[in-house]
Amino acid sequence: SQQGEEDPQALSIQEGENATMNCSYKTSINNLQWYRQNSGRGLVHLILIRSNEREKHSGRLRVTLDTSKKSSSLLITASRAADTASYFCATDGAAGNKLTFGGGTRVLVKP
Amino acid sequence: EPEVTQTPSHQVTQMGQEVILRCVPISNHLYFYWYRQILGQKVEFLVSFYNNEISEKSEIFDDQFSVERPDGSNFTLKIRSTKLEDSAMYFCASQDGFREKLFFGSGTQLSVL
Repeated sequence: SQQGEEDPQALSIQEGENATMNCSYKTSINNLQWYRQNSGRGLVHLILIRSNEREKHSGRLRVTLDTSKKSSSLLITASRAADTASYFCATDGAAGNKLTFGGGTRVLVKP
Repeated sequence: EPEVTQTPSHQVTQMGQEVILRCVPISNHLYFYWYRQILGQKVEFLVSFYNNEISEKSEIFDDQFSVERPDGSNFTLKIRSTKLEDSAMYFCASQDGFREKLFFGSGTQLSVL
């Protein structure tokens, strides 16, 4: 698989439920970031977790990072219809500054 | 909150024509990027720009592509001779520090006919 692959590709849940999506990557990273994209719009940064961190919270978002497994998860608690979007993980490399994005998870939150 | 602005929002062009996509990054940011996203596919890195020069580019960014920051505020992507496969949403992004978060514009939807 390529750097930054999300799983599942699509997720459909009811409002109020939690949504969990995972990201796997292949090479060493300095940080991993999660972004959200509403249909046809630009990406919006959600959270950045550094390689020496294991968990981070921001509002209803919880991100974990396991560098030994080269994986991360994004949990959205108490989802709302407005959380409907695609969610992407992005990793930097050992050198350089560019972010490499995964294929994304499309989340549909049904009211 | 400051934002990255991109113009135009939509661009339709004929194959072989030159297009220039424009971006105004956030004013005190130092790093600038172009990414593209073909419909339904992942966001692909094209090029990064720092200190008035390209710092990294992908295989997609061939001789048909160029970037400029002509006046300290605008950041442009030029495609010299467009191909059908260049049809995509092009995103500009800027960053205020090394390995920090990216701020994306709303994108330019390029359609090559």
